[in-house]
Amino acid sequence: QKEVEQNSGPLSVPEGAIASLNCTYSDRVSQSFFWYRQYSGKSPELIMSIYSNGDKEDGRFTAQLNKASQYVSLLIRDSQPSDSATYLCAVNSGNQFYFGTGTSLTVIP
Amino acid sequence: EPEVTQTPSHQVTQMGQEVILRCVPISNHLYFYWYRQILGQKVEFLVSFYNNEISEKSEIFDDQFSVERPDGSNFTLKIRSTKLEDSAMYFCASKNGRNEKLFFGSGTQLSVL
Repeated sequence: QKEVEQNSGPLSVPEGAIASLNCTYSDRVSQSFFWYRQYSGKSPELIMSIYSNGDKEDGRFTAQLNKASQYVSLLIRDSQPSDSATYLCAVNSGNQFYFGTGTSLTVIP
Repeated sequence: EPEVTQTPSHQVTQMGQEVILRCVPISNHLYFYWYRQILGQKVEFLVSFYNNEISEKSEIFDDQFSVERPDGSNFTLKIRSTKLEDSAMYFCASKNGRNEKLFFGSGTQLSVL
């Protein structure tokens, strides 16, 4: 059974702070990793992808991958109230995507 | 911007009835998926479809479920005899290549009464 684990939260940060979201996965042969944002009642929206060890930055978002530790994280800098959502970690192994339960983030104005 | 489209956005049905959920994946994508999400719970994999056949299915995807790609654009999920516990948001998703990004449709909210 391929598992993707996330802290369900809720995680609360003040506006302007850095939000840090973490994810671990069980399948060592996983090749690609994704972060999705999901607003309540809406579909998951892709915000970051990462394929190799290290950091990948896109605007206020930074994804970090450590395959040896089977760990992937998402940092959101200068958090905004509009960032309040559930963040889903997804791991691609073969043709299959495995999702975590999501971390609920609230950014307090 | 190409997107995955799903219809209807909401479907209400009586227990025991058949429903068909429709999806139009992004046009050059090759891999198609159905997921569901019960309110407040995780996104659960149902089935994946590639090269005109099911490539993988979960334990949820029992004999009551079927998928079809009847033409070059549509991808449907049929539930033959709906149960109360089938009430969920159903998401269609597609991607272009093996390690490529997965894009979701806006979902169909199914309510079984």
